Amino acid sequence: QVQLQESGPGLVKPSGALSLTCAVSGDSITNNNWWSWVRLPPGKGLEWIGEIHHTGYTNYNPSLSGRVSISVDKSKNQFSLKVTSLTAADTAVYYCARVKRVIQGFDFWGQGTLVTVSS
Amino acid sequence: DIQMTQSPSSLSASIGDRVTITCQANHHVGNYLNWYQQKPGQAPNLLIYDASRLETGVPSRFSGSGSGTDFTFTISSLQPEDVATYYCQQYDNLVFTFGPGTKVDIK
Repeated sequence: QVQLQESGPGLVKPSGALSLTCAVSGDSITNNNWWSWVRLPPGKGLEWIGEIHHTGYTNYNPSLSGRVSISVDKSKNQFSLKVTSLTAADTAVYYCARVKRVIQGFDFWGQGTLVTVSS
Repeated sequence: DIQMTQSPSSLSASIGDRVTITCQANHHVGNYLNWYQQKPGQAPNLLIYDASRLETGVPSRFSGSGSGTDFTFTISSLQPEDVATYYCQQYDNLVFTFGPGTKVDIK
C-alpha cells in the first residue's frame, strides 16, 4: 500500500518561507509517476500547487508560479515543497499526493499538515 | 485557464435521499474529470475517475456522468458516512483545477 507522510514546521512568519517534505513508502519515487502538492486554506477549497517527476521535470500552478519550487530526493524516496514570500493567505493544510497519470488525478494522499503563517 | 463551478455549494438531505451535484467547466475538458470526497480532518479520497468510472472499493451508490463541459455526481441513497465535501477536478494544459466544493450534510 502506498503511503505518503508530510513533515515540516507548523508555524512560519510572514514574508518568510515554508519548507515541507513528503516521505513516500510502498512505491519508489523513481517509478514512472508524478508527485504533487495540494493545499486546503481554511474555509476554502482545494488548490493544486505543483508536481514533479523523478527526472526533475516540474509543473506549477500559474497562480503561485515564482513563489513555489518542488524538488525530489531519490536517495530518501521523498520530495519537497518550498513556498516563499509568505502571507496569511498561504495558511492552509498542505497535502502531498501521487498523480495517477492515466486519469490525470490523485490516487494516494498524505494525511496533510497544517501550516500557519503568523508573526 | 479552465474554471470549474459546482452547484449547489451546500445541501442538506435525509438518509436515503438521492443527492445530485453538478460540475461545469468553462471549456471542454474531455473525460479527464474526477470526483473526490473529503471528510472533516481527512485527506481527499478519489471516488470517480474519467467522469463515470468507480474507483476500486468505492460503494456503488456513488456514480458520475457527463462529458465535455457538464458533469454530474450522484449519491443514490445518502448514508450518514457520506457527510463530507465533494470536489470535481479536471486537468488541462499541464494544470490541475478543482471545483469549489459542495458540502453535504444530513437534514
